[in-house]
Amino acid sequence: NAGVTQTPKFRVLKTGQSMTLLCAQDMNHEYMYWYRQDPGMGLRLIHYSVGEGTTAKGEVPDGYNVSRLKKQNFLLGLESAAPSQTSVYFCASGLAAQETQYFGPGTRLLVL
Amino acid sequence: GQNIDQPTEMTATEGAIVQINCTYQTSGFNGLFWYQQHAGEAPTFLSYNVLDGLEEKGRFSSFLSRSKGYSYLLLKELQMKDSASYLCAVLDSNYQLIWGAGTKLIIKP
Repeated sequence: NAGVTQTPKFRVLKTGQSMTLLCAQDMNHEYMYWYRQDPGMGLRLIHYSVGEGTTAKGEVPDGYNVSRLKKQNFLLGLESAAPSQTSVYFCASGLAAQETQYFGPGTRLLVL
Repeated sequence: GQNIDQPTEMTATEGAIVQINCTYQTSGFNGLFWYQQHAGEAPTFLSYNVLDGLEEKGRFSSFLSRSKGYSYLLLKELQMKDSASYLCAVLDSNYQLIWGAGTKLIIKP
């Protein structure tokens, strides 16, 4: 059981470039989440999904898009990266909203 | 707005007891979580409280008072490996987790 995995682990982008972060889970969880974590702030929810084929906006969705074509995968896209998107991105999954969330190891993104 | 407050940093001595407080003001309440996060790593689940009272799990205990919008995490017999950030998070009326900024706990020998 790998749990929740994220790729890549680290990435440097130039302003205006695009990229996709991949999250995969092997626990058959319905719910998946994308967060960003910035110094001095709590985790902030970007987008989430309550099942295959569904997505919803979280607290800070602007500048990001997501897709959940397969139950085990949740993709986060940045169409045109900005320095304000420099952050650590965590993916998480869970059985239901009120259940424990299991986190991936994170992706450190630097936008120059 | 929704708000979760916890101290930014605390220091304690190996072998001692420390209490980390969390106060919250959220739109609705469907439970409170505590997570541990070591530097450079992912958060990991510690406890979940939805009813008032104390939940004990080994060296860690978590308390909740819904009427006061208050919780604490109690760590006993502190070990060096307990040096980490402790995150308080509340599940609001939309079943979304609202996270505090975390309390960095420093353990000294």
